[in-house]
Amino acid sequence: DAGVIQSPRHEVTEMGQEVTLRCKPISGHDYLFWYRQTMMRGLELLIYFNNNVPIDDSGMPEDRFSAKMPNASFSTLKIQPSEPRDSAVYFCASSTWTEVNYGYTFGSGTRLTVV
Amino acid sequence: KNEVEQSPQNLTAQEGEFITINCSYSVGISALHWLQQHPGGGIVSLFMLSSGKKKHGRLIATINIQEKHSSLHITASHPRDSAVYICAVFLLRGGADGLTFGKGTHLIIQP
Repeated sequence: DAGVIQSPRHEVTEMGQEVTLRCKPISGHDYLFWYRQTMMRGLELLIYFNNNVPIDDSGMPEDRFSAKMPNASFSTLKIQPSEPRDSAVYFCASSTWTEVNYGYTFGSGTRLTVV
Repeated sequence: KNEVEQSPQNLTAQEGEFITINCSYSVGISALHWLQQHPGGGIVSLFMLSSGKKKHGRLIATINIQEKHSSLHITASHPRDSAVYICAVFLLRGGADGLTFGKGTHLIIQP
């Protein structure tokens, strides 16, 4: 298994532009999470999905952020319009939850810089 | 007040030393997670605990639910253990909520 795959690894964009981050979870994992990491605030949960359905988006900072999961193998996090304060590393993670089979795996992250 | 507190924030030790990192939380949780983040940035899941103790190689994690406290121990520490260790909890809101994170402990093991 290739693990959780995120793209791009690095993104530099100008303020006001739309940014789309992508995530492919591990096959069979039924939960998908989007996190953001900054020096000031550390790691924070933005949104998570269960079986492709958004369950909790209370961590999404504002309406400029949106996330979708059209199928079990793909999710996007979109920022429109982007602002310099959105600069951070965005991690996607997927997991499966049973008594005997636990897996929680992070992707390598997308380092976003908004200038 | 942060719901998850880690100590120490920074720790420098010599190779071979026994390392302890502590995590305290203030709310009810369903489970606690120890994560490792290397300088390259990748995050690796080390343990998930809801009670007792788990061991993997030189790493040992314990949790005391009544005291709302967990510890991560590293025996015979090695420079490759240098990383940020992050404690994270699943809050007791039912279901598989996302994690709430501590600020991390920066560990440096010197040869």
